[in-house]
Amino acid sequence: GQNIDQPTEMTATEGAIVQINCTYQTSGFNGLFWYQQHAGEAPTFLSYNVLDGLEEKGRFSSFLSRSKGYSYLLLKELQMKDSASYLCAVMDSNYQLIWGAGTKLIIKP
Amino acid sequence: ETGVTQTPRHLVMGMTNKKSLKCEQHLGHNAMYWYKQSAKKPLELMFVYNFKEQTENNSVPSRFSPECPNSSHLFLHLHTLQPEDSALYLCASSQDLGNYNEQFFGPGTRLTVL
Repeated sequence: GQNIDQPTEMTATEGAIVQINCTYQTSGFNGLFWYQQHAGEAPTFLSYNVLDGLEEKGRFSSFLSRSKGYSYLLLKELQMKDSASYLCAVMDSNYQLIWGAGTKLIIKP
Repeated sequence: ETGVTQTPRHLVMGMTNKKSLKCEQHLGHNAMYWYKQSAKKPLELMFVYNFKEQTENNSVPSRFSPECPNSSHLFLHLHTLQPEDSALYLCASSQDLGNYNEQFFGPGTRLTVL
């Protein structure tokens, strides 16, 4: 079967750095997406990785290792507004997104 | 604003009611999707349309009936739902199917079935 695993909840301090991990087992791989979802709002796109390595976009970076079935989202200089759920999703061989259950990130002052 | 709108934002219905959810995208995209999001569970893909044609139906019960009259509009018709169908229903669109195509989501319809 297809499976995406990510921690249910994480807590971090304002101004700090946090890494949210995602491991996957899917039938085929056509890229990995990270989305941010604030409570009661739509998921919004953060990053896309299809090749191994690190993609940096401002305070957010995403890393992919296809051989290990592993990705992480790195958030630097955390702000209170970063409190949200972070969703990892893998596009399988049928170009469908397989989603993780999301990681709820709580930022404390 | 993501360019994808959904109405209504909230809906309460009885098990014998018939209602419809509406989604509209203003992005010129060719693919549209319906997802179900339940608390602490992964998003579940329900239906996929590409150029108005349904390409996926992920074993969704027949009490959910999609309609895509054109590439900008998507409906989800609901009838004789069950309480376990209560969830957030999200619509999304992407330029095309395939990789490199990020999906843009609407704000969702919070559905409660009594």
